[in-house]
Amino acid sequence: NAGVTQTPKFQVLKTGQSMTLQCAQDMNHNSMYWYRQDPGMGLRLIYYSASEGTTDKGEVPNGYNVSRLNKREFSLRLESAAPSQTSVYFCASTWLGKEETQYFGPGTRLLVL
Amino acid sequence: KNEVEQSPQNLTAQEGEFITINCSYSVGISALHWLQQHPGGGIVSLFMLSSGKKKHGRLIATINIQEKHSSLHITASHPRDSAVYICAVLEYGNKLVFGAGTILRVKS
Repeated sequence: NAGVTQTPKFQVLKTGQSMTLQCAQDMNHNSMYWYRQDPGMGLRLIYYSASEGTTDKGEVPNGYNVSRLNKREFSLRLESAAPSQTSVYFCASTWLGKEETQYFGPGTRLLVL
Repeated sequence: KNEVEQSPQNLTAQEGEFITINCSYSVGISALHWLQQHPGGGIVSLFMLSSGKKKHGRLIATINIQEKHSSLHITASHPRDSAVYICAVLEYGNKLVFGAGTILRVKS
């Protein structure tokens, strides 16, 4: 089992460019999450998907969109990147919900110039 | 004031020492997670608990719901324990809030 995988590992964008961060899990988990991690701050939830076909906003959703493509895949899209979106992005999944053990991907480092 | 406060922010210990990291929170919760983030960036879930105490190897996590406090203990610390330890609470209403983390360095 690969667990939770994320692509790309590292990306540099110019302000205004768009990109999609990909996340996939092979553990048959129902719930998936996107977080961002900034220096000196805790992880913050951007969006989550409690189950296939549903998505909900987290704490910091502005500037992002998500798609739960199927049970395995949950993508995060930046339509018009801004320097404030420079961060490390983590995808995670759980079997049922937030009370469950979370399994994290390796992260994507994004730099927006 | 952050909803989840961890202390200390930074901790340096000698190999073999007993280590305690604290987490205090200000709201009612249904569960608390302890996570470990290695220098390479990967995050691993260590414990999820809603009451009492859990033990896994040299790691022990406790929670006191009435006092809104949890501790993570590491016995016989080792340099490979060097990492950032993160506390996260699941508030009633399904909001998951993370602490800023405790940076632990264990010297040999």
